[in-house]
Amino acid sequence: DIQMTQSPPSLSASVGDRVTITCRASQTITRYLNWYQQKPGDAPKLLISGATSLESGVPSRFSGSRSGTDFNLTISSLQPDDFATYYCQQSFISPPTFGGGTKVET
Amino acid sequence: QLQMQESGPGLVKPSETLSLNCRLSGASIRDGTYYWAWIRQAPGKGLKWVGSASSSGNTYYNPSLNGRVTISVDTNKNDFSLSLTAVTAADTAVYYCARRYKFENRHFDLWGRGTLVTVSS
Repeated sequence: DIQMTQSPPSLSASVGDRVTITCRASQTITRYLNWYQQKPGDAPKLLISGATSLESGVPSRFSGSRSGTDFNLTISSLQPDDFATYYCQQSFISPPTFGGGTKVET
Repeated sequence: QLQMQESGPGLVKPSETLSLNCRLSGASIRDGTYYWAWIRQAPGKGLKWVGSASSSGNTYYNPSLNGRVTISVDTNKNDFSLSLTAVTAADTAVYYCARRYKFENRHFDLWGRGTLVTVSS
């Protein structure tokens, strides 16, 4: 299976901060990387697919980038609604696998 | 309203079979552009794909579950089900049903709210 390593596991930030979460794949996955946001008690919500494509309705402060097997999710200006756990997921090869998550907290 | 809703027992005994159902509302499960999936999350842990099925009957399972998984789609009821046999405490998790787009980025774009299943005697 492809291993997805997210860092950091958690981070502390304030409203207005620029936040970057990194996900590294254990082998090439080209652009097949998706990002999800999960709040306590809720289902994950798709934010970005194909490494950089913002889903409809997702605020433009969220963006994704790729460099080789390294992927970043960036929140340009953290808002109160953004405190959550974020997961990456590769869809290049089955089984699809997820990163361990990054909890963004105050 | 487009949504998915899981249902099923919240408690299963060790060695027995876990059975869950997922009802799709606001769309047709016959839509050939999607797979219908189960994903689980053990307490305090990350997400793990359990398996997927198409409305035409193709199925794909996580090999780590050692052949214990069956996913079936019922096009008449617009729902799909999960069966996991010979469960142990390690199968305790919140189980999510989800819709996975077959093409382009192959992402999970619609999820249910999840249902907690505890394996305990």
